[in-house]
Amino acid sequence: DSGVTQTPKHLITATGQRVTLRCSPRSGDLSVYWYQQSLDQGLQFLIQYYNGEERAKGNILERFSAQQFPDLHSELNLSSLELGDSALYFCASRGDGSGNTIYFGEGSWLTVV
Amino acid sequence: AQSVTQLGSHVSVSEGALVLLRCNYSSSVPPYLFWYVQYPNQGLQLLLKYTTGATLVKGINGFEAEFKKSETSFHLTKPSAHMSDAAEYFCADPTGGGNKLTFGTGTQLKVEL
Repeated sequence: DSGVTQTPKHLITATGQRVTLRCSPRSGDLSVYWYQQSLDQGLQFLIQYYNGEERAKGNILERFSAQQFPDLHSELNLSSLELGDSALYFCASRGDGSGNTIYFGEGSWLTVV
Repeated sequence: AQSVTQLGSHVSVSEGALVLLRCNYSSSVPPYLFWYVQYPNQGLQLLLKYTTGATLVKGINGFEAEFKKSETSFHLTKPSAHMSDAAEYFCADPTGGGNKLTFGTGTQLKVEL
């Protein structure tokens, strides 16, 4: 158990819809990362937050957004969903003193039909 | 920018045989390198981490990796494969701001009887 909790574990939704994925980082970890894993793109970094502020942005679509709340949990919002958005979405967290080690959650499986 | 390359998207070994999964990093010596494992339908689990100065890094489940500057490599090995080692293995390095991880394309390890 990494200590990173993601909900929901599985989600099936229709094209055009909007979903929210939730992540609770390890206790005390200020950094939260979101990754997307798909068969054709592999593991892609989406976005990082540090203590509520956006820190780094990767290959995140404009239809996607994220935020980190004062209690450090984070949400990834995916809107106007397309079939190609079907993927496994990982949240990960890192503590300041962890020597760059990033711990991953179990992921949220999103299927867009 | 740092990057890692994993050679061989699929590796098949017999149970009890040596496991060798290849990872090469780009020319500049990275401060950290990681191997993660993803078991079927699970999240990413940290196997081991290289930090500057180390050469042979021991990880969980009998895995180890040797950092070779002369070859810009960080190959993952295990002396004797077990059926439970069947999984996908990712090499990763920290790239850019926020210390996010950039992952290789992954190597699927199959262990046969």
